[in-house]
Amino acid sequence: NAGVTQTPKFRILKIGQSMTLQCAQDMNHNYMYWYRQDPGMGLKLIYYSVGAGITDKGEVPNGYNVSRSTTEDFPLRLELAAPSQTSVYFCASSFSVDTQYFGPGTRLTVL
Amino acid sequence: AQSVSQHNHHVILSEAASLELGCNYSYGGTVNLFWYVQYPGQHLQLLLKYFSGDPLVKGIKGFEAEFIKSKFSFNLRKPSVQWSDTAEYFCAVKSGGSQGNLIFGKGTKLSVKP
Repeated sequence: NAGVTQTPKFRILKIGQSMTLQCAQDMNHNYMYWYRQDPGMGLKLIYYSVGAGITDKGEVPNGYNVSRSTTEDFPLRLELAAPSQTSVYFCASSFSVDTQYFGPGTRLTVL
Repeated sequence: AQSVSQHNHHVILSEAASLELGCNYSYGGTVNLFWYVQYPGQHLQLLLKYFSGDPLVKGIKGFEAEFIKSKFSFNLRKPSVQWSDTAEYFCAVKSGGSQGNLIFGKGTKLSVKP
């Protein structure tokens, strides 16, 4: 099993550009999550999904959108990138409410 | 709102020293508790977790944690640290009512000097 995979690993965006961060898991987990990690701030939940077709906002959803059309994939969309979205983004998945497994992260810089 | 507090931002130890990292949470109901570790340049990995039963939980790499309900604490311990334990450690809490959502502490960076 590859576990949780994320692409790209690094990306630099200009203000106002858009992009999609990809996340996929091959563990047949029903729950998936997107977090952002800022230095000294821990991880903040952006969006989560409890199954295909079901998504909900986390603590810091503004400026982001998600979709969950399949069990495996949970892309995160940034529509109008802003410097405040410079961060490291982690995707995670879990079977129900058990342990979350994290991907390797995407380091995003918005200039 | 639920919150998780990790008392130390940065801990510096010499090899073979004992480690205790504090974690307190602010939820009074049923909780599930986790410690995750993030080695430099890597993603988060689970160290240990507590769901129920024995409040002393043993994890990987010689780590353990003790759940003290009366103190709302879940401190992480290791009797003798190694240089390879240099990493950032995150405490996380899931309340019984949440849909798997974890609340993370801000993390404690551990530096072990050889």
